[in-house]
This record gives sequence, structure tokens and C-alpha cells, in this order.
Amino acid sequence: AQSVAQPEDQVNVAEGNPLTVKCTYSVSGNPYLFWYVQYPNRGLQFLLKYITGDNLVKGSYGFEAEFNKSQTSFHLKKPSALVSDSALYFCAVRDGGYSTLTFGKGTMLLVSP
Amino acid sequence: EAQVTQNPRYLITVTGKKLTVTCSQNMNHEYMSWYRQDPGLGLRQIYYSMNVEATDKGDVPEGYKVSRKEKRNFPLILESPSPNQTSLYFCASSLGFRTGNLYEQYFGPGTRLTVT
Repeated sequence: AQSVAQPEDQVNVAEGNPLTVKCTYSVSGNPYLFWYVQYPNRGLQFLLKYITGDNLVKGSYGFEAEFNKSQTSFHLKKPSALVSDSALYFCAVRDGGYSTLTFGKGTMLLVSP
Repeated sequence: EAQVTQNPRYLITVTGKKLTVTCSQNMNHEYMSWYRQDPGLGLRQIYYSMNVEATDKGDVPEGYKVSRKEKRNFPLILESPSPNQTSLYFCASSLGFRTGNLYEQYFGPGTRLTVT
């Protein structure tokens, strides 16, 4: 079975400061990992993904994520937050042997001016 | 424009009255999926389809049906809706879902369903 945990319901950060949104996962095989963002009244939008290779993955809108196999984590990061980054962020995982994608419960990011 | 469309966007209905939420994609994607989003629970997969005439249950399939007769369409059917199916529903599609490949999913705008 596969599972993903986002331990923080909400993350608050001031504009211009770095941000981190945490994600940990559990799979029995090789993990395939995603981050998605949801703006109010919109569907989810793809940010970035990890399959293999470099542990630091770069994605859309200046976001990046760091894969850490030993800690089974895939934290989302951005060096300098913008107010427009305020949204709901979802981490998702697929175990290589499965056909379904499991999402976390989401973390609300609030960036204050 | 490449997109996933869903209709209707908003629907209020009564318990037991059959309804269908349509989903269509214009990207020739093989894989399509339905999710429901509930506060505090995130997104949970209802059904998915690897290709035409190939559908399978996700994590929460009870009370739902799907069909995939054409590649572009993947309707979600609630034969006898109940209040616990009140939720925000998303359709998604991607190029494929084979071992070794990982394609991002494109999501529709969502359908907010209320069952009274």
C-alpha cells in the first residue's frame, strides 16, 4: 500500500522569506512523487515531479522539491515567497507497482505582505 | 486549448435522483480518473481508467459508476445519490500510467455537488 502525509494543515510565511511545505511518504516499491497546487475555485495544477535522478527537482513558478530517500520525504521549497503563492498544496505519491495516485490532505500556504 | 472539461460545474439534487457528471479531454490521453475532495481528507480517488473499456476502482468507489466507451469521455454516474456524496469532484487525465513512466495529470475545474 502507498500513503502520503502532510503534517501541517497550514504554513504561514512572510513575503520574501523562504518557504517549506512538508511531505512524507510510504511505499513498498520505488516512489514516484508529485506536487500540485490548487488556487481558490480552481482545479489542481501540476508543479513538479520526481521519478529518478537528481534529488533536487525544479518546477513551475520557482518552486523546487528535495527528495530524501532515507527520510522518505519530498518537501516543497521556494527561496523567496510571494503573496500570490498563497494556495492549497498537495503532495502525491505512486508506488511504482501500482496504477493509482494517492494524495495527501493538503497544506494551506498563506504568504503575508 | 488543451483542457479537461466537466459539466455541470454546480449541481444541487435530492437523495435518490440519478445523475451524471460528464468529463471530456481533448489531449488524446489514455488515463482518466475521478476524485472527490472533502475538507480535511484531501483528494480521494473514486475510479480510474487506463484506456477505453478499461476501468477500475479507486479508494472510494461505493455509490459510483463510470464508463469509458470513447477515449475522450469518462462520465461519473451516481445512480442513487445520498447526502454523504456531497463533495467537490474532479476529473483528471494523463498521457499514460505505465510502469517506468510518470506523466502529470491535468485536472478539470471541478463539480460541486450537493445532495439534500
